[in-house]
Amino acid sequence: DIVLTQTPLSSPVTLGQPASFSCRSSQSLEQNDGNTLLTWLQQRPGQPPRLLIHRISNRFSGVPDRFSGSGAGTDFTLKISRVEAEDVGVYYCMQVTQFPYTFGQGTKLEIK
Amino acid sequence: EVQLVESGGDLVKPGGSLRLSCAVSGFTFSNAWMTWVRQAPGKGLECVGLSISKPDGGTTHYTAPVKGRFTISGDDSKNTLYLQMSSLKTEDTAVYYCAMSLLPGAFDIWGQGTTVTVSA
Repeated sequence: DIVLTQTPLSSPVTLGQPASFSCRSSQSLEQNDGNTLLTWLQQRPGQPPRLLIHRISNRFSGVPDRFSGSGAGTDFTLKISRVEAEDVGVYYCMQVTQFPYTFGQGTKLEIK
Repeated sequence: EVQLVESGGDLVKPGGSLRLSCAVSGFTFSNAWMTWVRQAPGKGLECVGLSISKPDGGTTHYTAPVKGRFTISGDDSKNTLYLQMSSLKTEDTAVYYCAMSLLPGAFDIWGQGTTVTVSA
């Protein structure tokens, strides 16, 4: 199974400041067709997960442009350019390249 | 608008069985890849099974912790996906979500979840 390792596990951030989360895969997530199926999900407290980013860097419909994704191969990053109060929650990377689909442990975003 | 509504969660004894439902509106579920994901209390997300769309073969796949105990099926007339769970263990206690992939390579539609508690 592909193991996804997220760092940090907790990220206290001041409102208006940037935040950055890392996701590292135990093997390349690039498929034979060149697609890399790495997604980022947000889970606000008491809510189901919500898709933010797909295929490394594509923002899902309705996701604010302060969220951006980058990376390739085995190393990926989610960035929030200016954290807002509504961004509090846990952020998970998820790979859909190979079944079983797997998730990182999550990074908890808290406001300082 | 596509919506997923899970139901069927309950308190069940170890060794018991339960069937979860994921009712789909706004899209024919059998034309989409769908997954069941669970979240144990205070823990992260874990995929337990995958249902591949009929156009792509219609097969189902399971992760190791549930293989042989959980079965995914569907009812076209009700546009509903099911997760039949048997030989339940305390470690199966979790909120169970169904999710759908309308966007190739991503699960972009998620239900609200249903809670399964396995306890004596």
